[in-house]
Amino acid sequence: GAGVSQSPSNKVTEKGKDVELRCDPISGHTALYWYRQSLGQGLEFLIYFQGNSAPDKSGLPSDRFSAERTGGSVSTLTIQRTQQEDSAVYLCASSLAREGNQPQHFGDGTRLSIL
Amino acid sequence: SQQGEEDPQALSIQEGENATMNCSYKTSINNLQWYRQNSGRGLVHLILIRSNEREKHSGRLRVTLDTSKKSSSLLITASRAADTASYFCATGGGNKLTFGTGTQLKVEL
Repeated sequence: GAGVSQSPSNKVTEKGKDVELRCDPISGHTALYWYRQSLGQGLEFLIYFQGNSAPDKSGLPSDRFSAERTGGSVSTLTIQRTQQEDSAVYLCASSLAREGNQPQHFGDGTRLSIL
Repeated sequence: SQQGEEDPQALSIQEGENATMNCSYKTSINNLQWYRQNSGRGLVHLILIRSNEREKHSGRLRVTLDTSKKSSSLLITASRAADTASYFCATGGGNKLTFGTGTQLKVEL
């Protein structure tokens, strides 16, 4: 079956603009995660969804960042008034269960560049 | 902050040689996972080892876990050029994984 799909794959925008990043998880996966990866770095946790609710938003770096998930499936990560430090690869992952013991399946990410 | 720290940061070997990467972590864990990331791609899950396990194998991969030292190692035997990638350890508990900074492995022909 299809893996995790993210769009767009690349996004270049001007500082101050809003951006929306989309994630289509694997069908049937109830847990969905957003991470941010800066160049040559590990992954920084942003937010976790179980179904449509987000019990853990602890990683969102500022109130300019928000995310939602509808129908227990597609999720959108929105960054308002983008800053240059927001430039990174944004990765989405999904898994079958809410517990951290399950492998996570990743999309190929959205590479965001803020000019 | 990063829970796991991989060592070395970069490793270059010849095809056919074995590659060993190490991961150290700071707090108690339920399990530890290893992932691979090819350039420009997402992460791919390789293997999960639970806190009550000491060693696990999957194909050419061998993972060990020493909870007393809070460390894990990933061994790739008989490496191939296609193994060139970044390798991350991740510790899990609850609803999220905390990733290390990764080891960049380059396998040369």
